[in-house]
Amino acid sequence: GAGVSQSPRYKVTKRGQDVALRCDPISGHVSLYWYRQALGQGPEFLTYFNYEAQQDKSGLPNDRFSAERPEGSISTLTIQRTEQRDSAMYRCASSFGTQAYEQYFGPGTRLTVT
Amino acid sequence: GESVGLHLPTLSVQEGDNSIINCAYSNSASDYFIWYKQESGKGPQFIIDIRSNMDKRQGQRVTVLLNKTVKHLSLQIAATQPGDSAVYFCAEMAGGFKTIFGAGTRLFVKA
Repeated sequence: GAGVSQSPRYKVTKRGQDVALRCDPISGHVSLYWYRQALGQGPEFLTYFNYEAQQDKSGLPNDRFSAERPEGSISTLTIQRTEQRDSAMYRCASSFGTQAYEQYFGPGTRLTVT
Repeated sequence: GESVGLHLPTLSVQEGDNSIINCAYSNSASDYFIWYKQESGKGPQFIIDIRSNMDKRQGQRVTVLLNKTVKHLSLQIAATQPGDSAVYFCAEMAGGFKTIFGAGTRLFVKA
């Protein structure tokens, strides 16, 4: 069956531009997570959605980062006024339940800010 | 594909041997622990999990041990195969959803 998908897979943008990263979770999964992963490190938690409700955004680095999941399915992570330090792999994951359930990760979006 | 774990601790084992990967976690309030495997160019893949009210859980060829006294987690892989070569991350959760990943260990299996 279809897994978690993310688009675009690669994004190169100039410093100061806004970018929007999309995540399509597995159908029926109520929980959705966004992570950022630097090379050689584990994923870093950014935010969590339970259906359409953003229940934890404590990992978002600053107010240039925002995320939404308006209909409880597809989610968008938006970075405004991008900076070079935002360059990373951004990963989305979904899970069936709202507690401690197995998370299924997408392939990620590689963001490069020049 | 992208390379994961360029400067991670590395464990090198012979094919057929058992592997033990260790992890120290930070939050004594964490109540759920997970091991993930990440191959180059792919997202992390769930291997096995354990709740804090257990100290051992077994899966297919894998066993996770939890020692809450010293906040230590280990993953044992029996009869390690070349396909097990990857970066392995432990992760902890406290309160249900925020997941904190450890630094990772690269497992290299020699044929």
